[in-house]
Amino acid sequence: EVQLVQSGAEVKKPGESVKISCKESGNTYNSHWIGWVRQMPGKGLELMGVIYLGDSDIRYSPSFQGQVTVSADKSAHTAYLQFSSLKASDSAMYFCARHSSETYNSFDIWGQGTLVIVSS
Amino acid sequence: DIQMTQSPSSLSASVGDRVTITCRASQNIRKYLNWYQQKPGKAPKLLIYFASSLQSGVPSRFSGGGSGTDFTLTISSLQPEDFATYYCQQSHSMLGTWTFGQGTKVEIK
Repeated sequence: EVQLVQSGAEVKKPGESVKISCKESGNTYNSHWIGWVRQMPGKGLELMGVIYLGDSDIRYSPSFQGQVTVSADKSAHTAYLQFSSLKASDSAMYFCARHSSETYNSFDIWGQGTLVIVSS
Repeated sequence: DIQMTQSPSSLSASVGDRVTITCRASQNIRKYLNWYQQKPGKAPKLLIYFASSLQSGVPSRFSGGGSGTDFTLTISSLQPEDFATYYCQQSHSMLGTWTFGQGTKVEIK
């Protein structure tokens, strides 16, 4: 069974950096696109960008281009989301999700979420 | 950007009720429309993909319909475990630019 396991919650101060991870485990014979989704407190879902674990090809949503950095380690089956200088408005739950072409471009498997709190 | 608009934003219903949620796209997305269920504190779960295909393991009381710009998610007989927030998501635009609706919260009447 394929699972996405995310790193734990982070509490940071404004201006600090953070890098959260999403590890794919289980059947990893084929590479997949992994998406990062933001959910601000009490709000909806926003796709930030996607990365192909096979060759680290990245596509950013225009709203998040330049605001975050998505990367991957193919050998570790892990995707990363990095913020270089956090703001209070970056406080949110961040989910990773696996893109599936078999289900016509949906996200069929999700990580459990990583809560990022930015507070002075 | 393709904008996705769900209605209603919230609804109250009773166990056993038939519930329909609507999602409208700002332009033609053919059938590239997915539905997710999210319970408080949990990750979203894929229910329906390509407008009307039921994801493996999802109860048959969930169904989806529509194409082009107008789509529906129907729960034929609401169960206690179905009280949650539901999101539509289009996957017609370029990879990485897909957008979600604002969500519909289904609450107990």
